Amino acid sequence: NAGVTQTPKFRILKIGQSMTLQCAQDMNHNYMYWYRQDPGMGLKLIYYSVGAGITDKGEVPNGYNVSRSTTEDFPLRLELAAPSQTSVYFCASSLRTSTDTQYFGPGTRLTVL
Amino acid sequence: GQQVMQIPQYQHVQEGEDFTTYCNSSTTLSNIQWYKQRPGGHPVFLIQLVKSGEVKKQKRLTFQFGEAKKNSSLHITATQTTDVGTYFCALKAGNNRKLIWGLGTSLAVNP
Repeated sequence: NAGVTQTPKFRILKIGQSMTLQCAQDMNHNYMYWYRQDPGMGLKLIYYSVGAGITDKGEVPNGYNVSRSTTEDFPLRLELAAPSQTSVYFCASSLRTSTDTQYFGPGTRLTVL
Repeated sequence: GQQVMQIPQYQHVQEGEDFTTYCNSSTTLSNIQWYKQRPGGHPVFLIQLVKSGEVKKQKRLTFQFGEAKKNSSLHITATQTTDVGTYFCALKAGNNRKLIWGLGTSLAVNP
């Protein structure tokens, strides 16, 4: 199993550009999450999904959108990138509930200039 | 709402010294998880504690869950340079569907 994979690893965007961060898991997990981590800080939940077709907002959803059309994939869309969205983005998944062990992808380091 | 405090925020130790980080909650917890994130890496699950007063050990790491299930600690005996990283607690309380993450304790070990 590859676990949780994320692409790209690094990206530089200009202000106002859009992009999609890809996340996939091959563990047949129901729950998937997107977090952002600013330098020296903890994890902030952006969005999460409890299964295909179901998503919900986390702490910091503004400026982002998600979709979950399959169990495996959970892309994160950034519209109109802003410097405040410069961060490292982690995708994670857990088996049945949000309190099962969360498995993280390697992260995407995004810089908005 | 649910609040979690993790202390200290940073800790520098000499290799061989012990290290402890604490996670404190404002409410009674259902369970608590601990994760480690190496510099430049992603969080990796270490352990989950569920029972009041529970103590679990992983080699030099000792994890405790408080009797009142409102706090937890991670203790590392005789730190090594491989212990460098940030240690996060993540906790669940009541019917909250999401884990609440602490801000982490960053550990630096001087060789």
